[in-house]
Parts: sequence; C-alpha cells; structure tokens
Amino acid sequence: GQNIDQPTEMTATEGAIVQINCTYQTSGFNGLFWYQQHAGEAPTFLSYNVLDGLEEKGRFSSFLSRSKGYSYLLLKELQMKDSASYLCAVRDRDSNYQLIWGAGTKLIIKP
Amino acid sequence: DGGITQSPKYLFRKEGQNVTLSCEQNLNHDAMYWYRQDPGQGLRLIYYSQIVNDFQKGDIAEGYSVSREKKESFPLTVTSAQKNPTAFYLCASSMGDRASRTDTQYFGPGTRLTVL
Repeated sequence: GQNIDQPTEMTATEGAIVQINCTYQTSGFNGLFWYQQHAGEAPTFLSYNVLDGLEEKGRFSSFLSRSKGYSYLLLKELQMKDSASYLCAVRDRDSNYQLIWGAGTKLIIKP
Repeated sequence: DGGITQSPKYLFRKEGQNVTLSCEQNLNHDAMYWYRQDPGQGLRLIYYSQIVNDFQKGDIAEGYSVSREKKESFPLTVTSAQKNPTAFYLCASSMGDRASRTDTQYFGPGTRLTVL
C-alpha cells in the first residue's frame, strides 16, 4: 500500500540544526516535495527531489534516497519563525501523478 | 500580483445546508485541486481538474461536488450528504505538466468551515 511516515512533533533550539525525516512506500515514486505550513495558514513549497542526493536552498536542504524510500529536510541556523509544521508529499505515477501526503511534523523552536 | 484566492476565510453553516467554497487563480495554471485537512492527518484530495470542463474524483469525493467552467475558477460545494464537513479546506493549482519538476502545487489561504 501507499504510506508516508513522519514524526508527529520535534523540538529544537534557536540557532541549532534539526533534521526532519520522512519515509515512504509507494508503487510509482515520481518525486518528493517538502512544504512548510504555519498554524492556520496554507502550505508553502520548500523543495523538490526526484533524484538521489542533496538539494540545498539557503538554510534549508532536502535529501532523497530512493532505494531506501527515505528523505529528510535539514534546517540550519534555526529561527523562531521556523516554528511550523513540515509536510512531506510523494508524487505517485500509479495515482495519476497525484500527491500522497504525510501527516506533517510539528516543529517547535525554543529560545 | 499572481496568486490563488479563497473566500471566505471562515464559514459557518447549519447542518443540512449546502455550501459553496470559492477558489480563483490568476497564475494561468491548467490544473486545480481541492484538499481537506483535519488535525493529525495528511492532506486528503477531494477533487482535481487537469483542464477546463473536466475533473476527477480524489480519495474522499463523496458528499462534495465541483465544476470547472473557467480556467481561473474551481468552486467546491459541500453538500448535506457529507457526514463530517467541519474541516480546513485548501485549494491549490499547478501548471499541470504532470511528472515534471515544474508541476509544483501552490496553495490558497484556505477556508475553515464549521458546521453547527
């Protein structure tokens, strides 16, 4: 079956680094997206991976290993504004290229 | 400014009433989507449309209906048949070039529907 797993909640300290993991099981993997969602707001796009390796974009990086069905989002130099939920979504060829979403990881940043 | 708008931001309705949620985009995107978000769950796809005058059911289409008469607009009607309509509803759009890196979904601000 299709499944996306993320930790429910994580806590980190301002200025530190945090890694949010996402594991997936899909029959027709065709790319993985990370979104940020502040409470009560819309998700905003952070990154996209379709090939193995690391994609860096400022303080945020995303990694993919297709053989392991695994991705992580790495946030560096954490700021209070990074307190949000981080959503992992996999595009699935066998679902007409629609996105399958994880439940999200709520990240709490402490001073 | 290009973007996706949803209105209203908050909506209250009595049980048994149909309600229509608006979604408009001026990004010239071909594809549009409706999702429902409940606490502790991932986004669930209700309906999507790849092109004008065509749409497909998502995973939880029962109790909902849509239309796509214009490229810019994709309204969602929550009918009285939907058993648990209280939720946060998100509309998204994308270029529609499936399987392409450029087919990233961009979201509107959402409508929080409460059925009393």
